[in-house]
Amino acid sequence: EDQVTQSPEALRLQEGESSSLNCSYTVSGLRGLFWYRQDPGKGPEFLFTLYSAGEEKEKERLKATLTKKESFLHITAPKPEDSATYLCAVRASGGYQKVTFGIGTKLQVIP
Amino acid sequence: DAGITQSPRHKVTETGTPVTLRCHQTENHRYMYWYRQDPGHGLRLIHYSYGVKDTDKGEVSDGYSVSRSKTEDFLLTLESATSSQTSVYFCAISESSSPLHFGNGTRLTVT
Repeated sequence: EDQVTQSPEALRLQEGESSSLNCSYTVSGLRGLFWYRQDPGKGPEFLFTLYSAGEEKEKERLKATLTKKESFLHITAPKPEDSATYLCAVRASGGYQKVTFGIGTKLQVIP
Repeated sequence: DAGITQSPRHKVTETGTPVTLRCHQTENHRYMYWYRQDPGHGLRLIHYSYGVKDTDKGEVSDGYSVSRSKTEDFLLTLESATSSQTSVYFCAISESSSPLHFGNGTRLTVT
């Protein structure tokens, strides 16, 4: 069974204090690892797709990296507007519908 | 929002009544999905569709049915709502191996 575990469940940072969110996964044939941002009352917003170990993607203050067992979302010098829940998901082989989500990390950035 | 509209955005209903949630897309994507999101569980797949009139079950399909008579519309029906179906429901779309893109959800309360 495919599994995605995110840590920590919640993270509180001071503005400008860099940190990383972790996503550990077990999947039968990785066909993509996805990061999403979710604001309260909204649907998840797509951020990145990673396909193979060693791959990195960047967007503004966010950088996602991938190894064979986990992914990290690095947040550099965060701002209060980066506060959100960040979700990780993996797509397995065997069908495009086989996408398993983690519970998420709730990030709060304090001014 | 990738051209995805969910309706209604909020609904309160009584136990035992039928409920239909609607998802409309303007992206002409082949795949459409219904997820539910509950605290401590993350997003869980209810049903998905891979084409007009082509649907299949996800991991939490009991008590739910779906229909897709047009590419742009995907309906989720609770034949007889129960309190355990109180949740936030998200529709998502994708093209084959592309990431899922989500609507802004329907908050359903069953009293």
